Amino acid sequence: GESVGLHLPTLSVQEGDNSIINCAYSNSASDYFIWYKQESGKGPQFIIDIRSNMDKRQGQRVTVLLNKTVKHLSLQIAATQPGDSAVYFCAENPPNFNKFYFGSGTKLNVKP
Amino acid sequence: NAGVMQNPRHLVRRRGQEARLRCSPMKGHSHVYWYRQLPEEGLKFMVYLQKENIIDESGMPKERFSAEFPKEGPSILRIQQVVRGDSAAYFCASSSGISGNTIYFGEGSWLTVV
Repeated sequence: GESVGLHLPTLSVQEGDNSIINCAYSNSASDYFIWYKQESGKGPQFIIDIRSNMDKRQGQRVTVLLNKTVKHLSLQIAATQPGDSAVYFCAENPPNFNKFYFGSGTKLNVKP
Repeated sequence: NAGVMQNPRHLVRRRGQEARLRCSPMKGHSHVYWYRQLPEEGLKFMVYLQKENIIDESGMPKERFSAEFPKEGPSILRIQQVVRGDSAAYFCASSSGISGNTIYFGEGSWLTVV
């Protein structure tokens, strides 16, 4: 479902480590998913997307995994850098429906 | 997301005044979404519009809030008689309107009600 005012969980990682951010989505029929990164004071920025006919998609330093069985998405960031510190949101898009539902977000803190 | 333009970026209003937030979608996009975000919280859907038509306003408060997307010009989110609780960041996003297409966000408008 949609974020309804939950406070953000926080993930702290050491610079250089890999990060894994998880997201549970609500609609088993959703067929398109996006991860966004939001830095403080800025708008959400598209990172990577995946469609339901795929289990995995890789970008530059990022990988998204989709497990439709348990309605779970994850974003993996390799060799995390201080510039990766931000809030990360997943979004799901049900088919034939142009509205996106956002997860509650995870705050990533990268320690130098 | 640089293509979605929002203004003003920051707006201060006294209680009881009106706030108007504007959004110009990315070039080629005809669909606009408005989301609201409180500090340290997620994005809450407010309204989804295409030109001259409100498609889904299920997230809009019943009173004081309205949105439009005219044939010409930007989409406008209007908040009448603002209260302190309206203080938030308001984000606009746009898409082509085709299901399964990415939506891109603007940089937001930060409303502070004093």
